[in-house]
Parts: sequence; structure tokens; C-alpha cells
Amino acid sequence: AQSVTQPDIHITVSEGASLELRCNYSYGATPYLFWYVQSPGQGLQLLLKYFSGDTLVQGIKGFEAEFKRSQSSFNLRKPSVHWSDAAEYFCAVGSGGYNKLIFGAGTRLAVHP
Amino acid sequence: DTAVSQTPKYLVTQMGNDKSIKCEQNLGHDTMYWYKQDSKKFLKIMFSYNNKELIINETVPNRFSPKSPDKAHLNLHINSLELGDSAVYFCASNQGTQPQHFGDGTRLSIL
Repeated sequence: AQSVTQPDIHITVSEGASLELRCNYSYGATPYLFWYVQSPGQGLQLLLKYFSGDTLVQGIKGFEAEFKRSQSSFNLRKPSVHWSDAAEYFCAVGSGGYNKLIFGAGTRLAVHP
Repeated sequence: DTAVSQTPKYLVTQMGNDKSIKCEQNLGHDTMYWYKQDSKKFLKIMFSYNNKELIINETVPNRFSPKSPDKAHLNLHINSLELGDSAVYFCASNQGTQPQHFGDGTRLSIL
């Protein structure tokens, strides 16, 4: 069965530090992969997506993610974190004709000034 | 202009009541979804409609009934509400394999 694992429930970084959020997936075919961000009381906003092609994808707000098929991973990175990046981050894989999103449990990011 | 809008934003009600949540999208998408986010922030798909036709129906109690009067609207009706139904319900929409756009959620609290 398809699944997504985000090993880190909670991460704290200092403002200006680099960030990497981990995501591992289990999917039989070539996956469609997504990272979404959820600010408190808000809906989910798409940061970036991977469908095919270049394995390093750029997203909004300075985020990027790298698809590594051999490791079944799609980790999210940002070189310098801003206080406004504090939020919940969700990795998801599209399955069942790609209409069905299966989400990881999320990683809560806290940013120290 | 809001792309995916849900009403109400907050819903507080008692056990046993029946309630509805409405969702509208103005993006011209063919497919709409309902997701449930529990108290631990875990998101799980409930239903999906494509052009008013039900295409995804996960293991959800039959107290939950989605209705799509047209492809821009997907409503969720819940009968005989239970404490475990307390959650945030998100509506989303997309076209084809493009990413889903989410509404801001409806926080349902059962007393």
C-alpha cells in the first residue's frame, strides 16, 4: 500500500539557518510528489511538486526538493530560514490516477529568532 | 478572489445533530475532494467527485454523505454527529493531474 513517512514530528531551527525536512514514500510506480505548507488556522498551500524530469525542483518562498528514487525520498530544503517559515509541512504522494493524495503525518517547524 | 471557499469556517454543535458544510471553487476544475484533518494534524481523503460523479469513497461512516450539485460545488452532510467527528474538514479541487488547491478548512467541534 502507498504510504508517506515524515520521520521528524517537530524541528526547531534558528532564523538564517539551513533547513532540511525529510520525506520517504512507498509507491509502486513513478510517484507524483508534493510538499504543502499549513500555517495556523489556514488551508494547505502548495510549495512545490515533482512529476517527472529534473529531480531537483524549485518551489515558492525559496524552497527546493530533491527526488531520489534509489532512496524513495523527496526531502525539502531551504538555505536560510525566515521566522515566517514557522508552520506545519506536509509531504504527499499522488496515487490512484494521481487524484488521491496520501499525506505524511507532517513536520512542525519552529524558528528561533 | 477566493479560489476554494468553504462555509462555515467554524461549526460548534451537539452530539446527534445533523450538519452540512459547503464548498465552492471558482477555478473551473473538474474534480473536488473532502479531506479530514484530525487533532494530530493527520490528513486523510474522504471523498472525491469528478464532474458530479463520485470517484473516490474511502472507508467513511455512511453518516457522511457528499453531494455535488454541479462541478463547482461539493457539499458534505453529516448525520447523527459523534464526538469523534470533531476535526477540521478541508475541501480541495484540481484539474487532471495538477496539484490540488485547498480551502481554509471548517473546524467542526462536537459538544
